[in-house]
Amino acid sequence: ETGVTQTPRHLVMGMTNKKSLKCEQHLGHNAMYWYKQSAKKPLELMFVYNFKEQTENNSVPSRFSPECPNSSHLFLHLHTLQPEDSALYLCASSLTGELGKDTQYFGPGTRLTVL
Amino acid sequence: GEDVEQSLFLSVREGDSSVINCTYTDSSSTYLYWYKQEPGAGLQLLTYIFSNMDMKQDQRLTVLLNKKDKHLSLRIADTQTGDSAIYFCAENLQYSSASKIIFGSGTRLSIRP
Repeated sequence: ETGVTQTPRHLVMGMTNKKSLKCEQHLGHNAMYWYKQSAKKPLELMFVYNFKEQTENNSVPSRFSPECPNSSHLFLHLHTLQPEDSALYLCASSLTGELGKDTQYFGPGTRLTVL
Repeated sequence: GEDVEQSLFLSVREGDSSVINCTYTDSSSTYLYWYKQEPGAGLQLLTYIFSNMDMKQDQRLTVLLNKKDKHLSLRIADTQTGDSAIYFCAENLQYSSASKIIFGSGTRLSIRP
């Protein structure tokens, strides 16, 4: 238990569906992240929020829409996804953006399958 | 550039030592990490080392860092079946107002009886 929870753990959706992934951290951290982990590829950073402000969008398609209402919660809204978007989506949080002092703690991930 | 490389597979006999290697390219990283991912689970922070250290030992785990060669290794002593997992090497970089973690592709460690 890392203090970062994600729901749902598994999600199957059609290409026309709209769904949301939720992440919550109980660590008092100020930065939160979405990562995508596909088979046979390195972990890819998607979005970063620091103090609720988005500080990085790593060229992610607009069918992925993040939302960070407060420092403890992070959502990833999904719509009109493609089968190649099937992957494990990992949420992480870290305390601050201080160089060399910021360890990221990960949630268990949401396994997404797009049919 | 930002790149972290690892070999994809490692197979060791139960009870032997496992050594997982990693190379990175960005010399400005200050922390380097090893994460473990068991089947069906998320990432677990296993250990980390600050870049001004050469070695860090934590029970069965030994981390060696050669900063000159940008080479990081993780040694697991007395490898057990519970150590079967994918091990990710990662480096911590600073960008914008939050840190960024660059991951390798992971090394799948399998244990032979």
